[in-house]
Amino acid sequence: EAGVVQSPRYKIIEKKQPVAFWCNPISGHNTLYWYLQNLGQGPELLIRYENEEAVDDSQLPKDRFSAERLKGVDSTLKIQPAELGDSAVYLCASSFTANTEAFFGQGTRLTVV
Amino acid sequence: AQKITQTQPGMFVQEKEAVTLDCTYDTSDQSYGLFWYKQPSSGEMIFLIYQGSYDEQNATEGRYSLNFQKARKSANLVISASQLGDSAMYFCAMREGQSQGNLIFGKGTKLSVKP
Repeated sequence: EAGVVQSPRYKIIEKKQPVAFWCNPISGHNTLYWYLQNLGQGPELLIRYENEEAVDDSQLPKDRFSAERLKGVDSTLKIQPAELGDSAVYLCASSFTANTEAFFGQGTRLTVV
Repeated sequence: AQKITQTQPGMFVQEKEAVTLDCTYDTSDQSYGLFWYKQPSSGEMIFLIYQGSYDEQNATEGRYSLNFQKARKSANLVISASQLGDSAMYFCAMREGQSQGNLIFGKGTKLSVKP
């Protein structure tokens, strides 16, 4: 069974440019998460989807970050414009339900220069 | 206040020995779940073990066991017979409530296994 797939693995962009990350969750998983992980820290939730509905986006900086999960499967996280402080690893995870264990992708390492 | 506290930034263990990674949590919910994840240098978070707040038995998965002490609000991970491949970051996480769904992570412990 395929795991959570994220792309790209690495991205380097100049500040003020837009960037997008893509996530394909495990088939049949209804819950999808986007996490931000700064160097030396644990992951912090950005947004959680139940099917296509964003049920918790309280930690998403909505002035520059946006996300979507069309048809309740794949998801895209966008930053526009990127800032130097956005350099981090962006992790996508999915779980069958909100109460079962979450499985993570390998993450996208973003560097903003 | 920190929801998940991991007080050991780094730990060393000799190969084939057991090691305990500490985790304490803070919640007022009666129903919650506790998780441990491993993150090797490749970056992927790997699920290791889960303990529900109502589970009476400590969870075990192969060489991993969770020492759950509810009154002390601790959920320590025990790795038996350490292997070189166990060298990684280890994160404790909690999910509160029946349906809140969000995983809250600690800051992690870096485990280094010495040959």
